[in-house]
Amino acid sequence: EPEVTQTPSHQVTQMGQEVILRCVPISNHLYFYWYRQILGQKVEFLVSFYNNEISEKSEIFDDQFSVERPDGSNFTLKIRSTKLEDSAMYFCASSETVSNQPQHFGDGTRLSIL
Amino acid sequence: GENVEQHPSTLSVQEGDSAVIKCTYSDSASNYFPWYKQELGKRPQLIIDIRSNVGEKKDQRIAVTLNKTAKHFSLHITETQPEDSAVYFCAAITYNAGNMLTFGGGTRLMVKP
Repeated sequence: EPEVTQTPSHQVTQMGQEVILRCVPISNHLYFYWYRQILGQKVEFLVSFYNNEISEKSEIFDDQFSVERPDGSNFTLKIRSTKLEDSAMYFCASSETVSNQPQHFGDGTRLSIL
Repeated sequence: GENVEQHPSTLSVQEGDSAVIKCTYSDSASNYFPWYKQELGKRPQLIIDIRSNVGEKKDQRIAVTLNKTAKHFSLHITETQPEDSAVYFCAAITYNAGNMLTFGGGTRLMVKP
């Protein structure tokens, strides 16, 4: 069964540094998402991406965040200047189409900001 | 925006018993309701979903019911097994509004052997 893959599995970064989290969505999927989960809390939506542009973003997704689809397979989340409170598990997800299709999650990247 | 409330936050059952987790949502336009199971340190894994034009759906030991009028939906697990122990999240989505999943707070289910 095809899966969403994410790299790295764990990223440790000094506060103020830039990080790029990488995702390879399922190949025939058209909608891509980033979510985050702070330890012990619920999963929170960050951004959705369709047709090479942001479809929706949450209040969390401020100017420090950006997403990009640099080629036909990768989907990246960049945090420009990390803060301690950015420490969380970041999940990428993808869905086949817009309407009523499930979102499949990757294994996540654990981001630790020191 | 959408708000999803989930109860209980923890649930402990004996192996073989049934477990029920309940969620309510606020946006009457929400039209798709998935349930995810998350084991410690792992990805949320879709286990069942229901669309707004359906009142109930079943897949082996798992069933989900939806009451659109009351804006609540429930997960039912029968004949629970120790491997059902995990955190379960309900979620709601309003398509054509960015497809963002709004998750409930999660239920930690513990199945005692």
